[in-house]
Amino acid sequence: KAGVTQTPRYLIKTRGQQVTLSCSPISGHRSVSWYQQTPGQGLQFLFEYFSETQRNKGNFPGRFSGRQFSNSRSEMNVSTLELGDSALYLCASSPVPGQGIGLWWTEAFFGQGTRLTVV
Amino acid sequence: SQQGEEDPQALSIQEGENATMNCSYKTSINNLQWYRQNSGRGLVHLILIRSNEREKHSGRLRVTLDTSKKSSSLLITASRAADTASYFCATVSPSGSARQLTFGSGTQLTVLP
Repeated sequence: KAGVTQTPRYLIKTRGQQVTLSCSPISGHRSVSWYQQTPGQGLQFLFEYFSETQRNKGNFPGRFSGRQFSNSRSEMNVSTLELGDSALYLCASSPVPGQGIGLWWTEAFFGQGTRLTVV
Repeated sequence: SQQGEEDPQALSIQEGENATMNCSYKTSINNLQWYRQNSGRGLVHLILIRSNEREKHSGRLRVTLDTSKKSSSLLITASRAADTASYFCATVSPSGSARQLTFGSGTQLTVLP
């Protein structure tokens, strides 16, 4: 099975611009989550999508948004980029929704990330 | 925000030695997971331990969980140079989704050949 694919791998953007990152989950996985990793704040949860609906959201401003398509692929968008948005953005997919307590105990499969640099 | 701290922040050992990393967290959990990250790349899942389990093994990995102390440890036995990476613990809250992980600050492990 192919792993989680994130594109592009690297991006350089200017302050004020917007950016869209893409994530293709493992085939059959319907849940996609996004994380931001920075040296100062570490790994922080952005949001999670399942069945094209945002299920959970972390503590990030509204400039960060996302969506999921019917094939489970997901995109995240950051508008009006700031220098502090420079980070590694990681996408993770999971196989099943948490419909029952046993099903919650699943691991996440991460992509290689998109390194965003804002200048 | 991060769930807790890991210590040490950095650990350097010789090949063949054992490496122990500790993770503390602040709130109740459903399960705790350990991940490895090589040099700014994606995270790889290592092991998951449920809140009602105390110890789990997977190959050269041994994880313990003490929910009364809100802490966990990861032991890597007979370390190899290829184990050099950052190691993160991540928790899932009892009411939360398995797909919302709250990460610790990480331990940078260096295994010297």
